[in-house]
Amino acid sequence: DQQVKQNSPSLSVQEGRISILNCDYTNSMFDYFLWYKKYPAEGPTFLISISSIKDKNEDGRFTVFLNKSAKHLSLHIVPSQPGDSAVYFCAASDVTGFQKLVFGTGTRLLVSP
Amino acid sequence: DAMVIQNPRYQVTQFGKPVTLSCSQTLNHNVMYWYQQKSSQAPKLLFHYYDKDFNNEADTPDNFQSRRPNTSFCFLDIRSPGLGDAAMYLCATSTWTGDQPQHFGDGTRLSIL
Repeated sequence: DQQVKQNSPSLSVQEGRISILNCDYTNSMFDYFLWYKKYPAEGPTFLISISSIKDKNEDGRFTVFLNKSAKHLSLHIVPSQPGDSAVYFCAASDVTGFQKLVFGTGTRLLVSP
Repeated sequence: DAMVIQNPRYQVTQFGKPVTLSCSQTLNHNVMYWYQQKSSQAPKLLFHYYDKDFNNEADTPDNFQSRRPNTSFCFLDIRSPGLGDAAMYLCATSTWTGDQPQHFGDGTRLSIL
């Protein structure tokens, strides 16, 4: 049973436009959500997170939106740059106790010049 | 820079021959995690240590063991690797508080001959 789903395996966007990556979850106990970025031959790098008490968190070009009623979150990258081309993983956890992250299968973003 | 370092980056072993992967950290985090990631799949948590307290996931095969001799180091031992154990193995660290991100190493890619 996949508790965190990223239904789009890939996304192509032109440089300067907005990239929107989506993630759905099924476990209502999740209350902390993260996005990681992964380049080939490197480990995942933390990008941005959001707690369930918020519905939006921004960090520079990156914004994460959380819709708890729909159990949906999204990552917006504006403007997209070629260096953003990577695989993006959504992850979720229940913060009571240790942080057991449940990951999605990732979305490969390609930003073309 | 504080970081998580995994050695080796690539490991080849023979079917059934024990292998050990290592992870070290300079972040002084008290929690260390081991994940298995197979191609096009989400990273899957195998186990974690909170200080010296070992916590196994229910579906982690007995073939996988771990040691944490001190705060900085953690090892993954695969006692009798099978072909299905070929994967990327990721080490991560975090503080105990659930609302802080995990920091990942670059992984060890394990191949089984």
